[in-house]
Amino acid sequence: AQSVAQPEDQVNVAEGNPLTVKCTYSVSGNPYLFWYVQYPNRGLQFLLKYITGDNLVKGSYGFEAEFNKSQTSFHLKKPSALVSDSALYFCAVRDPTGPNDYKLSFGAGTTVTVRA
Amino acid sequence: DAGVIQSPRHEVTEMGQEVTLRCKPISGHNSLFWYRQTMMRGLELLIYFNNNVPIDDSGMPEDRFSAKMPNASFSTLKIQPSEPRDSAVYFCASSLARSGGENEKLFFGSGTQLSVL
Repeated sequence: AQSVAQPEDQVNVAEGNPLTVKCTYSVSGNPYLFWYVQYPNRGLQFLLKYITGDNLVKGSYGFEAEFNKSQTSFHLKKPSALVSDSALYFCAVRDPTGPNDYKLSFGAGTTVTVRA
Repeated sequence: DAGVIQSPRHEVTEMGQEVTLRCKPISGHNSLFWYRQTMMRGLELLIYFNNNVPIDDSGMPEDRFSAKMPNASFSTLKIQPSEPRDSAVYFCASSLARSGGENEKLFFGSGTQLSVL
């Protein structure tokens, strides 16, 4: 079985400060990992993904995430947060080798609030 | 491209009524997913179609829920009869699944906010 944990329900940072949203995963094989963002009254939008290769992946809007296999983590980061980054962030994992290789398992989400 | 289009954006109905949610995926995508989002349960996959064929409907809560995909450009999710506990936001998402197994990223619609009174 595959699963994702986002240990923080909420993250609050000041504008201009670094932002980190934590994610750990559990999957039997090598994972495909994703981050999505949801703005109010909107669907989820893709931010970035890790499939293979460099452990540091860069995505949209200045976000990046680091894959750490030993810690089974895929934390989302942004060096300098903006008020417009305030949203709900979801981490997701997929096992590409299992019988349900299409199935994404989402975390519960982390609400990010960036104050001016 | 207009993205994934869902209708209606909001639906308010009374318990026992039939509800039909609609989705138009992105042209060229061959995979379609219906998700339900609630505060208590987060995002739940209800059903997955590949090339218009239902592959996994294990997430459909009960027989009151049904989904169809008559062609590559249209899908419906029907609840009959509806109950208050069905109140949630229902998302449709599409993607391009390539041979070899790697699905591209999901593109989500804006969702349908369903309230069953």
